Amino acid sequence: GAVVSQHPSWVICKSGTSVKIECRSLDFQATTMFWYRQFPKQSLMLMATSNEGSKATYEQGVEKDKFLINHASLTLSTLTVTSAHPEDSSFYICSAKGLAGENEQFFGPGTRLTVL
Amino acid sequence: GQNIDQPTEMTATEGAIVQINCTYQTSGFNGLFWYQQHAGEAPTFLSYNVLDGLEEKGRFSSFLSRSKGYSYLLLKELQMKDSASYLCAVKDSNYQLIWGAGTKLIIKP
Repeated sequence: GAVVSQHPSWVICKSGTSVKIECRSLDFQATTMFWYRQFPKQSLMLMATSNEGSKATYEQGVEKDKFLINHASLTLSTLTVTSAHPEDSSFYICSAKGLAGENEQFFGPGTRLTVL
Repeated sequence: GQNIDQPTEMTATEGAIVQINCTYQTSGFNGLFWYQQHAGEAPTFLSYNVLDGLEEKGRFSSFLSRSKGYSYLLLKELQMKDSASYLCAVKDSNYQLIWGAGTKLIIKP
C-alpha cells in the first residue's frame, strides 16, 4: 500500500516560535495533500487542501497567514505553524491522494505539537 | 447543513460481533469511508462503499444504503486490538470528505 510519512512525529516549542511539519508520499505521487488537526477526543478537522504547484485552499476559520502550506512537489507538502501559541497544541495529520479518481486518502502517522 | 452521526462509544466482548452505525445528511454523495484510529495514531483505511450493499473484507464488513443515508461497519470475532475509534466519512458533491466524530469501541475480555 501507499506510504505517507510525517516529520517530526512530535515537537515541543516555546510560544511565539514557528514550527514546520513535513509530509511526504514515499512510494507514489500525491496530486493532492490534506492537512488535518485533531484535538483530544475530537474528530479530524480539515484545515486545508493543497494541490501540487498551486495555493492551498483553506477551510473556513483557518488562518492562512498562521498556517502556511507549501506543496512544492508531488511528494512533499509542508505545514508551518507561525508564531505558535499554546492553543495551537494539537495532533496534526496529513493525508495524500494519488491519481485523480482514486478514492482513498493515505494518512501520515501524525505530528503531536505541544506549545509551552 | 452537512451532518454525520455515529454513536459516541460502544462496548463489546472479545470474540463477539459489533455493529457500528453511521447516518449522514450531505450535499451529494460520492462514497462513504470507514477508518480505524487507535489512540494517538493517524487513521487507517478500512473500507469504501459507493454502491448499495455489503462489502466484506475479512473480519470487517461495511454496508451502505444510499436511499436511507445509512451505513454500518460490522466487526466479527472481536479481538482486544480492535479497541479503537471508528470514523465514518462521506465524500460530498464537491468530493470533500465530511467526517463523523467517531465511535470509541471498547473491547472487554
